[in-house]
Amino acid sequence: GAVVSQHPSWVICKSGTSVKIECRSLDFQATTMFWYRQFPKQSLMLMATSNEGSKATYEQGVEKDKFLINHASLTLSTLTVTSAHPEDSSFYICSVSESGWTEAFFGQGTRLTVV
Amino acid sequence: GDSVTQMEGPVTLSEEAFLTINCTYTATGYPSLFWYVQYPGEGLQLLLKATKADDKGSNKGFEATYRKETTSFHLEKGSVQVSDSAVYFCALSEVNQGGKLIFGQGTELSVKP
Repeated sequence: GAVVSQHPSWVICKSGTSVKIECRSLDFQATTMFWYRQFPKQSLMLMATSNEGSKATYEQGVEKDKFLINHASLTLSTLTVTSAHPEDSSFYICSVSESGWTEAFFGQGTRLTVV
Repeated sequence: GDSVTQMEGPVTLSEEAFLTINCTYTATGYPSLFWYVQYPGEGLQLLLKATKADDKGSNKGFEATYRKETTSFHLEKGSVQVSDSAVYFCALSEVNQGGKLIFGQGTELSVKP
């Protein structure tokens, strides 16, 4: 399977600041990456689909101006949480997939805490 | 829309006990089905998968059979170990969704020595 790396693994930031999370596909070129959010003891909710070279597709209810996604290369997608607030504290996980695949491979996740 | 429903946890078992975690799904097409495992503080690891009806996925002693007639994909293991303690997610992906997964709510498993 594909190897996916997220950075950082955890981050603490002050309310009102912005935080960038990176998702890298280490061993293949990913045209599609997905960003999920997971609250404690809950399931993963898809936030957006990141497509290399084009705009991300956001799920209903996800603020695209708050959660900026950039997929500038085939190996890197970034999620920037802008003007973070305590309610944005969560576990963010990315996954990569490829056209024709049905499965996805996940990064190790990023724990964001906004204080 | 598509959805996945899992049995609620937490599930607490003694070592070497038999494990079943129920999963049922609703889908408009013919999805692929997956079980992912999440250890504390980590991302998700693919445990097993099945892509069509009657397929059996298996890995590390875990098994699940794709039952189209009952729209189920129950996870089983004959003898659990303490190291199996984790959260297990059932998920589906439609053929034309290219890796976009819909997850169940997750079931926490705790295995006691």
